[in-house]
Amino acid sequence: ETGVTQTPRHLVMGMTNKKSLKCEQHLGHNAMYWYKQSAKKPLELMFVYNFKEQTENNSVPSRFSPECPNSSHLFLHLHTLQPEDSALYLCASSQGWGQETQYFGPGTRLLVL
Amino acid sequence: GENVEQHPSTLSVQEGDSAVIKCTYSDSASNYFPWYKQELGKRPQLIIDIRSNVGEKKDQRIAVTLNKTAKHFSLHITETQPEDSAVYFCAAPTTGNQFYFGTGTSLTVIP
Repeated sequence: ETGVTQTPRHLVMGMTNKKSLKCEQHLGHNAMYWYKQSAKKPLELMFVYNFKEQTENNSVPSRFSPECPNSSHLFLHLHTLQPEDSALYLCASSQGWGQETQYFGPGTRLLVL
Repeated sequence: GENVEQHPSTLSVQEGDSAVIKCTYSDSASNYFPWYKQELGKRPQLIIDIRSNVGEKKDQRIAVTLNKTAKHFSLHITETQPEDSAVYFCAAPTTGNQFYFGTGTSLTVIP
């Protein structure tokens, strides 16, 4: 349960605020991911980092800005969000860059007012 | 890209009965198929996975079957218990490790 951690667990922000989500993995993995989970929709992959390099950006609006300073840490910087961005944001990690298991963090529940 | 469809979206079974959830995928390059369980307010957790070099894998009451020709795979839960109640997601990765998830199945086990 402590392999992938995320902070904060809950966040309420106004549309003009700037905030950051943090993810840390203690599994020695090399790839990290950000997902968005909204009600009634499948998990949506937002960003992928492999060995600190961004390899995927699935047409995510620029108001979401990822940062991966090293293989253990991943951030998602948020600014001028919209109410429809309210969702559960999940971080995940995997050992490598192949078709293999991803391990999820507990998520940050974000509410944009 | 990959297209993953999952059925049914909701499923209710009596305790002790079996539950089956099915997923189809479109990308023939996919060769790893995980199933995740997400309890209310918790993270998705891997419960079983299968690679394309086998057709079936079993772990106690949980099994997954894969038909690569037809591009579908299924989760089977036998002797269901109330603690099996959760949302279950299938996934199929495409190039690299980009997962495409199904829309989820909300399973309720009625005591």
